[in-house]
Amino acid sequence: GEQVEQLPSILRVQEGSSASINCSYEDSASNYFPWYKQEPGENPKLIIDIRSNMERKQIQELIVLLDKKAKRFSLHITDTQPGDSAMYFCAASSNTNKVVFGTGTRLQVLP
Amino acid sequence: GGIITQTPKFLIGQEGQKLTLKCQQNFNHDTMYWYRQDSGKGLRLIYYSITENDLQKGDLSEGYDASREKKSSFSLTVTSAQKNEMAVFLCASSIVASINERLFFGHGTKLSVL
Repeated sequence: GEQVEQLPSILRVQEGSSASINCSYEDSASNYFPWYKQEPGENPKLIIDIRSNMERKQIQELIVLLDKKAKRFSLHITDTQPGDSAMYFCAASSNTNKVVFGTGTRLQVLP
Repeated sequence: GGIITQTPKFLIGQEGQKLTLKCQQNFNHDTMYWYRQDSGKGLRLIYYSITENDLQKGDLSEGYDASREKKSSFSLTVTSAQKNEMAVFLCASSIVASINERLFFGHGTKLSVL
């Protein structure tokens, strides 16, 4: 089936620095790319998303980039804070409504 | 606001047992999903349903059945639990079929098989 690759699986950064997570997808019909944050013991929650008609989107400290030609998209968290420590999942979907997730990145923001 | 309720929260089963997990949403969402979450493997799609009475296989459907009895509910059956299996099953829903929108997740059912 369709796959979404996500790297790195573990990411440790110093507080105040940037963190980047990269994903790639296979299905060229994918047109919606959400990012979810999952804190320990909690369910995943949407933090930002981007559609295929955009290349860049920013919400506060979160930036997502989409390169449709390369079938890659990425999440960048600027000025990381301890509260950003969590699991992050990328996902991709097309008009079939099938949402495929990446394998997740555990982000640890070190003081 | 709406809510997605998964029951039970914890499920302990025996090897070979048939186990059913239930999910209810009051968002009036069209599409519902079942994912399995294993450590280090992300969220893998088992089944999804675009609308009432619809059923679509995900990448991990073997060993599972699902049923969309009505718009608000989507149940998942583990047909034969595997010994020492441990995973979290997450149910999710999204608003309208054919338009990609965010998923809202339940809090999960934690399965342990003895």
